[in-house]
Amino acid sequence: DVKVTQSSRYLVKRTGEKVFLECVQDMDHENMFWYRQDPGLGLRLIYFSYDVKMKEKGDIPEGYSVSREKKERFSLILESASTNQTSMYLCASRAQGSQPQHFGDGTRLSIL
Amino acid sequence: QKEVEQDPGPLSVPEGAIVSLNCTYSNSAFQYFMWYRQYSRKGPELLMYTYSSGNKEDGRFTAQVDKSSKYISLFIRDSQPSDSATYLCAMSAYAGNMLTFGGGTRLMVKP
Repeated sequence: DVKVTQSSRYLVKRTGEKVFLECVQDMDHENMFWYRQDPGLGLRLIYFSYDVKMKEKGDIPEGYSVSREKKERFSLILESASTNQTSMYLCASRAQGSQPQHFGDGTRLSIL
Repeated sequence: QKEVEQDPGPLSVPEGAIVSLNCTYSNSAFQYFMWYRQYSRKGPELLMYTYSSGNKEDGRFTAQVDKSSKYISLFIRDSQPSDSATYLCAMSAYAGNMLTFGGGTRLMVKP
């Protein structure tokens, strides 16, 4: 079975802090994704990566950046956290040219 | 209009009922279809994955795709309280494309 592991289930940070969310997958998948999920808005794609050191913006990249230095690890960075970034963050991965995506358990991030 | 529409619910049924969850979509190019189950405070878990039209069965779950009507369904037989969750449909046109998600339907199965 595919395993996508997000390092934190719950995280509380302060406004203005730099926040790192980590995601690791164990299936040698080329593609990795970061989404945020909000009530009434569904899943929205923030960034994705199709290979090491490669990244593409999704639908809502503003205020975020990503890093993929190793194939199995994809990090989401909130450069200067703001209260409107309080959300559930989901990481997913999939094999190149293939469906479906497999999700981690999410990180519920609160920015105070 | 959203590309994928899904009734948010909540849908409340008694234990043992047959449940029908549905999504409609507007993009006729979609041919890869997925159903995810998401328990509260957890990530989406892949439940069913189908390609093109037709039916796929896995235990108590049946996924049905009607491309002519742009309509997909997930049926749950003999529903259990443990089936209480939010069900998300997702689809794409090509294997390597991004997924387009429905907003999810919240299902509650009462003992």
